[in-house]
Amino acid sequence: SAVISQKPSRDICQRGTSLTIQCQVDSQVTMMFWYRQQPGQSLTLIATANQGSEATYESGFVIDKFPISRPNLTFSTLTVSNMSPEDSSIYLCSVNRGHEQFFGPGTRLTVL
Amino acid sequence: KQEVTQIPAALSVPEGENLVLNCSFTDSAIYNLQWFRQDPGKGLTSLLLIQSSQREQTSGRLNASLDKSSGRSTLYIAASQPGDSATYLCAVVTGTASKLTFGTGTRLQVTL
Repeated sequence: SAVISQKPSRDICQRGTSLTIQCQVDSQVTMMFWYRQQPGQSLTLIATANQGSEATYESGFVIDKFPISRPNLTFSTLTVSNMSPEDSSIYLCSVNRGHEQFFGPGTRLTVL
Repeated sequence: KQEVTQIPAALSVPEGENLVLNCSFTDSAIYNLQWFRQDPGKGLTSLLLIQSSQREQTSGRLNASLDKSSGRSTLYIAASQPGDSATYLCAVVTGTASKLTFGTGTRLQVTL
């Protein structure tokens, strides 16, 4: 398995501000994934973060809105920029280990 | 584009019943399929992983089957307990990029 932690666990933010979410894994991984779960919805992949290269974004997600850093093989950050109420969601990071995917506890974001 | 559907969307059963959750996917060329559990406001817990070459996997009271050619998987829960109450999500990896496509989820309530 994998032990994944995220900070913060939750936050309430004002419209127009930005929030950076941190994800820490207990051992080195090549790829880290960031997902979004909007209220009452399933999970949607935002981007894949590889160490040493730019993140790969899925259709509908752009780097200016969701910049990602991957400074080493155990850590990544996702920033939600210029937030609006539509960004209120749970944001989860995940890693793949032995073909199985493991998830962090999530960051619950509310934008007022 | 892969699409994953889960039926039923919600299910309420009395304690002790055996139950089946269904998952279907449109593109049968999957790499693997994974079942998750999500408690309200929480992250995801991996339950079972089935590789594309496998037919089923078991863990305790849980049994997951995979019929790749027909694009279907089922999660069987034996002797349900109130602690099984949660949302159950299935997700597939199509291709080798380890990116998950999630189903819509089944919200399960087990009553006393």
